[in-house]
Amino acid sequence: DAMVIQNPRYQVTQFGKPVTLSCSQTLNHNVMYWYQQKSSQAPKLLFHYYDKDFNNEADTPDNFQSRRPNTSFCFLDIRSPGLGDAAMYLCATSRGLAETDTQYFGPGTRLTVL
Amino acid sequence: GQNIDQPTEMTATEGAIVQINCTYQTSGFNGLFWYQQHAGEAPTFLSYNVLDGLEEKGRFSSFLSRSKGYSYLLLKELQMKDSASYLCAVKDSNYQLIWGAGTKLIIKP
Repeated sequence: DAMVIQNPRYQVTQFGKPVTLSCSQTLNHNVMYWYQQKSSQAPKLLFHYYDKDFNNEADTPDNFQSRRPNTSFCFLDIRSPGLGDAAMYLCATSRGLAETDTQYFGPGTRLTVL
Repeated sequence: GQNIDQPTEMTATEGAIVQINCTYQTSGFNGLFWYQQHAGEAPTFLSYNVLDGLEEKGRFSSFLSRSKGYSYLLLKELQMKDSASYLCAVKDSNYQLIWGAGTKLIIKP
């Protein structure tokens, strides 16, 4: 089945210790997104890639970086995690950016910062 | 600014019908999405509306009125597994999804 996969599902890191979350997709979609979601809040878009074109949201902290080495994979790097970065990180993909293009989500990675 | 409003929490009884409302104010409109999110899991796509009216998909239906900036998700014959959060999201003029905080639906036997 075509799908969006995230690893790991749960990640524990220490304050200030860099961490990388990964996302892969078998949908062959052009667009990949990273969202941060805290409990009972709306998902917050951090950035997205349209193919190799990187689009950063204006309010995404510099502490968050992303890489997309090929169509299938996208990584989220948190350079120096703080306690406020503890959240669920969701990867999503869509075929394009048109009005009918639906975003499909992976299962998420829950990040704990000690 | 852009805003999506949904009730924070609703309670309903197994077998009943529930309507979850969503009102929006966005810069432009390119469609409205409903997603279901079980606790600790990722959102899953339920429905998409871009024209006014009702879209029916099994036990779930979604309605849109663009002139009123209003949508609702109707869930019929509620089952315990429908206990989840339901998120409303609107694509704005830049084709970005603007998300509501979600409505937590609690189903009681």
